[in-house]
Amino acid sequence: GAVVSQHPSWVICKSGTSVKIECRSLDFQATTMFWYRQFPKQSLMLMATSNEGSKATYEQGVEKDKFLINHASLTLSTLTVTSAHPEDSSFYICSTYRRAEKLFFGSGTQLSVL
Amino acid sequence: SQQGEEDPQALSIQEGENATMNCSYKTSINNLQWYRQNSGRGLVHLILIRSNEREKHSGRLRVTLDTSKKSSSLLITASRAADTASYFCATDNAGGTSYGKLTFGQGTILTVHP
Repeated sequence: GAVVSQHPSWVICKSGTSVKIECRSLDFQATTMFWYRQFPKQSLMLMATSNEGSKATYEQGVEKDKFLINHASLTLSTLTVTSAHPEDSSFYICSTYRRAEKLFFGSGTQLSVL
Repeated sequence: SQQGEEDPQALSIQEGENATMNCSYKTSINNLQWYRQNSGRGLVHLILIRSNEREKHSGRLRVTLDTSKKSSSLLITASRAADTASYFCATDNAGGTSYGKLTFGQGTILTVHP
């Protein structure tokens, strides 16, 4: 079964609205969560790394005020796309690891901004 | 930033044939992983090869790693139509501050015709 639960699977929103994406670790504590973005027909790009109880670390070129990451608990990390625009339409996916085992990925969220 | 280059970008073969995909990277790594992604969906972990390993097998998959050339290859033998997907290599870079922080290659789109 899924080790990391990501919701929603897809979301359509109007330009200017905010969208929250959740990733939950099931049956284990995820102290670190990685957030990736994938544009159509492209590869995955790391956006940010979130650590429970501390500020997220953003990759170069990723606007931290636009992509808000919260990792307030050991089982939940959220990514909020604020004031979404059509160019934010993308596939967003999270990943984490359990006791330095292999990585586990969420199922991804397809965001379409109209 | 993306450091992986994959070739070919697209590969089209007949069922039963073998498919070989190559990946090159730029920095020292702890390990290299191969993932599969069906259209618009999450990632499926295929195989991980550590920097001190040269070859690894898993079912119909064979992965090689040449750290001197900073390259890896994924061979899928006796391909099936169900193998149709995008395949990505991803490196866990040595000296990084976060375990599990991956850098993905550009991917190879594999189409297997029945």
